[in-house]
Amino acid sequence: QVQLRESGPGLVKPSQTLSLTCTVSGGSTSGGSYYWSWIRQPAGKGLEWIGHIYSSGTTKYNPSLKSRVTISVDTSQNQVSLNLNSVTAADTAVYYCARESRDALIDNWGRGTLVTVSS
Amino acid sequence: DVVMTQSPDSLTVSLGERATIRCKSSQSVLYNSNNKNYLAWYQQKSGQSPKLLIYWASTRESGVPDRFSGSGSGTDFTLTISSLQAEDVATYYCHQYFNSPLTFGGGTKVEIK
Repeated sequence: QVQLRESGPGLVKPSQTLSLTCTVSGGSTSGGSYYWSWIRQPAGKGLEWIGHIYSSGTTKYNPSLKSRVTISVDTSQNQVSLNLNSVTAADTAVYYCARESRDALIDNWGRGTLVTVSS
Repeated sequence: DVVMTQSPDSLTVSLGERATIRCKSSQSVLYNSNNKNYLAWYQQKSGQSPKLLIYWASTRESGVPDRFSGSGSGTDFTLTISSLQAEDVATYYCHQYFNSPLTFGGGTKVEIK
């Protein structure tokens, strides 16, 4: 059973870059069957898909965040990374790493990590 | 973007009674080539990550109790909990994976009366 674990700083200052890592166990980021996604959820609010990456490095981003987001994959470490630059308080949320099938179904989620943007 | 609208925002149901949640998409999520609706339902309990319950609008994920069922096609979908149990207290989200960006409904909070 694949497991996803998010890690990174819990506090980021405004205008700086939010950087998170997702470590995948029980599965391979280099396999051709899945995309690896990031999704976020502000406290008490709904879910927002940020984007995904394929093992080849091909990415797709939500247009609402595209200018600020970079998702990358390190298949040798079985890790997926998220960088979100120029953050504001509106970027405060729980950030989830997730597995997305080739049909784009999100079938497995990490536990999530809370990132607070504050000075 | 495909906008997903859920109703109601919250629902209070007695134990053993039926709970019905509706989800409407701003455009069809039915792919005519394979006749599949790209619509899923997730359950999120307090402090936890979402859990996949239903995909292809009506296919139950392995291990999900059969009191959970999904129906609908095109733009209108329903999640039904046939006999609400205490462990079903959660927020439920519909999700379309037909078009990018992937989008979710606003959620329906289910509580016990």
